[in-house]
Amino acid sequence: DAGITQSPRHKVTETGTPVTLRCHQTENHRYMYWYRQDPGHGLRLIHYSYGVKDTDKGEVSDGYSVSRSKTEDFLLTLESATSSQTSVYFCAISESRDRGSIATNEKLFFGSGTQLSVL
Amino acid sequence: LAKTTQPISMDSYEGQEVNITCSHNNIATNDYITWYQQFPSQGPRFIIQGYKTKVTNEVASLFIPADRKSSTLSLPRVSLSDTAVYYCLVGDLPAGGFKTIFGAGTRLFVKA
Repeated sequence: DAGITQSPRHKVTETGTPVTLRCHQTENHRYMYWYRQDPGHGLRLIHYSYGVKDTDKGEVSDGYSVSRSKTEDFLLTLESATSSQTSVYFCAISESRDRGSIATNEKLFFGSGTQLSVL
Repeated sequence: LAKTTQPISMDSYEGQEVNITCSHNNIATNDYITWYQQFPSQGPRFIIQGYKTKVTNEVASLFIPADRKSSTLSLPRVSLSDTAVYYCLVGDLPAGGFKTIFGAGTRLFVKA
């Protein structure tokens, strides 16, 4: 399995408190992603990073911010948690590759997830 | 961004072949088709990927018709441990920024 560690694995917090989730990789992959998974919605992309200090928004970025100061770490922050942010959060990574060939494409490797409950 | 449509759920029995079809009418020229498998309390896991025609690996086969507007994941002789959610993704990554769209997936139930 790809070396991806998410922490914490479980967290319970109160509405209005800040929360930071950490994703750590040992693969030296360029791309990192944060998803949330909710019943009936599958996985939805929150933010992604294409390099150190290079990040961009996904489809459900409101209420979330990210930072990537090192290749191996991608942090997801909920500045003021709300009950609607109760979810399972997954980090993923993928490797950058020269686009000269169309024979293969990148794969996403996922972490084990963080269950966040906002009460 | 190409959106995908899959059946919500499917049932099968051990030993049968299971085919899950995904529709992606708006697939772009540079898009690949990738399937992932997810077990409860785990992150999705890559199964197979293709661009056109047929791809086969030790786990599954992927059939893609010439127009690429759909694809079919084929799981030969499923077992109880194949009970999971299967996601079809269409996209081009990383190419200067990549946004994937996971649909709700297909829940496969394999019965004894």
